[in-house]
Amino acid sequence: SQTIHQWPATLVQPVGSPLSLECTVEGTSNPNLYWYRQAAGRGLQLLFYSVGIGQISSEVPQNLSASRPQDRQFILSSKKLLLSDSGFYLCAWSMGHLGNTIYFGEGSWLTVV
Amino acid sequence: GQQVMQIPQYQHVQEGEDFTTYCNSSTTLSNIQWYKQRPGGHPVFLIQLVKSGEVKKQKRLTFQFGEAKKNSSLHITATQTTDVGTYFCAGPIQGAQKLVFGQGTRLTINP
Repeated sequence: SQTIHQWPATLVQPVGSPLSLECTVEGTSNPNLYWYRQAAGRGLQLLFYSVGIGQISSEVPQNLSASRPQDRQFILSSKKLLLSDSGFYLCAWSMGHLGNTIYFGEGSWLTVV
Repeated sequence: GQQVMQIPQYQHVQEGEDFTTYCNSSTTLSNIQWYKQRPGGHPVFLIQLVKSGEVKKQKRLTFQFGEAKKNSSLHITATQTTDVGTYFCAGPIQGAQKLVFGQGTRLTINP
């Protein structure tokens, strides 16, 4: 069966520091991969998605970037964090068509101080 | 652009009362999906509806897809404290073929 792992689970970082969140999917090949952000008590904001290695689509302008160095690995990064980057970051995957069911990781809580 | 609107944003009920959340799209959807996010957790897929007028049930949860495939609802009968959480609907955007989520309905329950 397929599983998704995301880490770290919680992170407290100072303003201006770098960020790296990592996600891996097991049990499938060539998945679509996603990064979502959820501010406290709010909806799901799609940040990036990828349909293959090295293929990244950005949904919103921000100081974040994403990379997919391997088929089942997705990384969210920032060179300098802002206070507004605080939130709940969710990695997710799906198969086939981009409108298909999405399966989320357990999320990473980021607090920028 | 294409949007998926969900109402209400919040709903507080007494345990045992019914609950309904509604989802509306500006365009026809090929399918509608529902997810549940428990407090502090991640969204979990509940169900997908594909056919016009489709109705599916999961125990006390009833999901409906409108005849025009532009709206959907989730109804919970006799809520229990385990139903607490945020319920999201989601539908694919034509063309870009991405899944767009509604803003979610946060359900709280008074035991």
